Amino acid sequence: DQQVKQNSPSLSVQEGRISILNCDYTNSMFDYFLWYKKYPAEGPTFLISISSIKDKNEDGRFTVFLNKSAKHLSLHIVPSQPGDSAVYFCAASEDGNKLVFGAGTILRVKS
Amino acid sequence: GAVVSQHPSWVICKSGTSVKIECRSLDFQATTMFWYRQFPKQSLMLMATSNEGSKATYEQGVEKDKFLINHASLTLSTLTVTSAHPEDSSFYICSARDVGGRFNEQFFGPGTRLTVL
Repeated sequence: DQQVKQNSPSLSVQEGRISILNCDYTNSMFDYFLWYKKYPAEGPTFLISISSIKDKNEDGRFTVFLNKSAKHLSLHIVPSQPGDSAVYFCAASEDGNKLVFGAGTILRVKS
Repeated sequence: GAVVSQHPSWVICKSGTSVKIECRSLDFQATTMFWYRQFPKQSLMLMATSNEGSKATYEQGVEKDKFLINHASLTLSTLTVTSAHPEDSSFYICSARDVGGRFNEQFFGPGTRLTVL
């Protein structure tokens, strides 16, 4: 049973436009959510996170939105750059320890 | 930022042999390290949580006698895949949490690609 789902395996966006990556979860006990970026043959790199007491967190070009009632979060990247092309993983935690990951979304930013 | 290394980055072995993978935190101390595996086109699955000086906590369905984890120091954890078989072929990734780090922030190693023939 997948508790964290990223239903879009890939996304293609033009440079300069907005990239929106989506993530859904089923476990209502999750209280912390994170986005990681991964290049091939490298480990995931932490991007941005959000606590369940907030509905938005912004860091430069990256903004994460959380809709608790819908059990949905999204990552917005504005403006998208070719260097943003990577696999993006959504992750969630309920105990401050274990992370549960989604399957990832491949983002391609075209120049 | 915090750096986590893994060695080897790629290993091929014969079925029945054992393989040891090292995970090191290079510029910080990690009381807790995590081991994940990732199959192609799938998400990272947590295998076990490793705490320095104590036994690892394994996730349901992960055989502790097959995947031996040792966390002997604050900067090193090892995963040994014993009597490896082709179905153990996967991408193994470790992560570490900085002792003084933020809540939930884990730093990941680059991963180890294991291929069992």
